[in-house]
Amino acid sequence: RKEVEQDPGPFNVPEGATVAFNCTYSNSASQSFFWYRQDCRKEPKLLMSVYSSGNEDGRFTAQLNRASQYISLLIRDSKLSDSATYLCVVNTYGGSQGNLIFGKGTKLSVKP
Amino acid sequence: GAVVSQHPSWVICKSGTSVKIECRSLDFQATTMFWYRQFPKQSLMLMATSNEGSKATYEQGVEKDKFLINHASLTLSTLTVTSAHPEDSSFYICSGGWLEQYFGPGTRLTVT
Repeated sequence: RKEVEQDPGPFNVPEGATVAFNCTYSNSASQSFFWYRQDCRKEPKLLMSVYSSGNEDGRFTAQLNRASQYISLLIRDSKLSDSATYLCVVNTYGGSQGNLIFGKGTKLSVKP
Repeated sequence: GAVVSQHPSWVICKSGTSVKIECRSLDFQATTMFWYRQFPKQSLMLMATSNEGSKATYEQGVEKDKFLINHASLTLSTLTVTSAHPEDSSFYICSGGWLEQYFGPGTRLTVT
């Protein structure tokens, strides 16, 4: 089983749609969880951290289910500018610097 | 978020030559930085952890004599690809930070 697995893409949605990405991780000792966004041929940029209580930032909502080792990202009212690859990222050394394990990413394409 | 710069942003070199990539943390001090590599349509893979004032830690399968890492100060880490071959052509990205990692813009290396 891969360490971090994501929904296979691509997701092609119209503007204004709501889209959800799922991610599972294999290491139950994982401590920190993130969603990054990566545009084509660019570096990943932090979108949001994921907390146990769930967190929301504007149109983006992230959820964590430790029991199921599952992370999700919900994007409401999709914009053309949301088109990118979304990376689920897990840090197994919680509370300190540690290496990040990346999922392969899910590509989102928002169409007019 | 924190700012990380990389130089050069892209480089083309001939097979057998060496290439040095610089990674700088511009507004924070980094005792640890990370070097990743990303092949087309693949996820980021951690190559090594760069430790200020001490030896780097390499991931399994990454040749330490080929990918030389130096972290001489709290704001600069360098990765030197020695005796480069076409299969080393890739997108190299560094990151720094604490719990949340911030990425440099990446260096696209093409070995001819």
